[in-house]
Amino acid sequence: EVQLVESGGGVVRPGGSLRLSCAASGFTFDDYGMSWVRQAPGKGLEWVSGINWNGGSTGYADSVKGRFTISRDNAKNSLYLQMNSLRAEDTALYHCARVPDPLAVAGSEWYFDLWGRGTLVTVSS
Amino acid sequence: QSVLTQPPSVSGAPGQRVTISCTGSSSNIGAGYDVHWYQQLPGTAPKLLIYGNSNRPSGVPDRFSGSKSGTSASLAITGLQAEDEADYYCQSYDSSLSGWGVFGTGTKVTVL
Repeated sequence: EVQLVESGGGVVRPGGSLRLSCAASGFTFDDYGMSWVRQAPGKGLEWVSGINWNGGSTGYADSVKGRFTISRDNAKNSLYLQMNSLRAEDTALYHCARVPDPLAVAGSEWYFDLWGRGTLVTVSS
Repeated sequence: QSVLTQPPSVSGAPGQRVTISCTGSSSNIGAGYDVHWYQQLPGTAPKLLIYGNSNRPSGVPDRFSGSKSGTSASLAITGLQAEDEADYYCQSYDSSLSGWGVFGTGTKVTVL
């Protein structure tokens, strides 16, 4: 079955760190770019970070730049998001999402054809 | 606040046609960047509904259609059904922002 399954969420104090993982299955992982998209409780979608097929290009939303790091391990069919210096406003459901064009970095080809169900991150003291 | 503005809600009776607008500017939709649309049913992950302004992925009913003109795009749902009740988001790219993608504010579709 073609799917993405996120893990690693939890409750963390402000200033703390978490590492999210996304396990891909049912497709050739390195044929695709990947991304993280989050959704705060009761709010809309917010793009967080993206990476091309081989990790050579990465991008971040201004709200997380310098605090979050995206990476991937194609041998393990896995995507990661290292989140440091977490803030209350980072509280959200974090989805990983697949980008059809492996070479895409922003632009018209940057869209998401497969999503995971998400992992919840709660930043609270 | 997103650079892509959608109406907070639209509603219609079963069988009717509803449209959702996605209003941008000269640095995103008006610059020629494609618009994509997602459907998020309650409690589920978003699903790609339309890509490249007007293309439907395999399995998406032809009741859903997308268009783009100038600095705006639209999603139309014809023959509205109860299972279409969901949140809908447009998405594009904005050259004035440093990010790789931007989502619209989202629209809740209610089937009366």
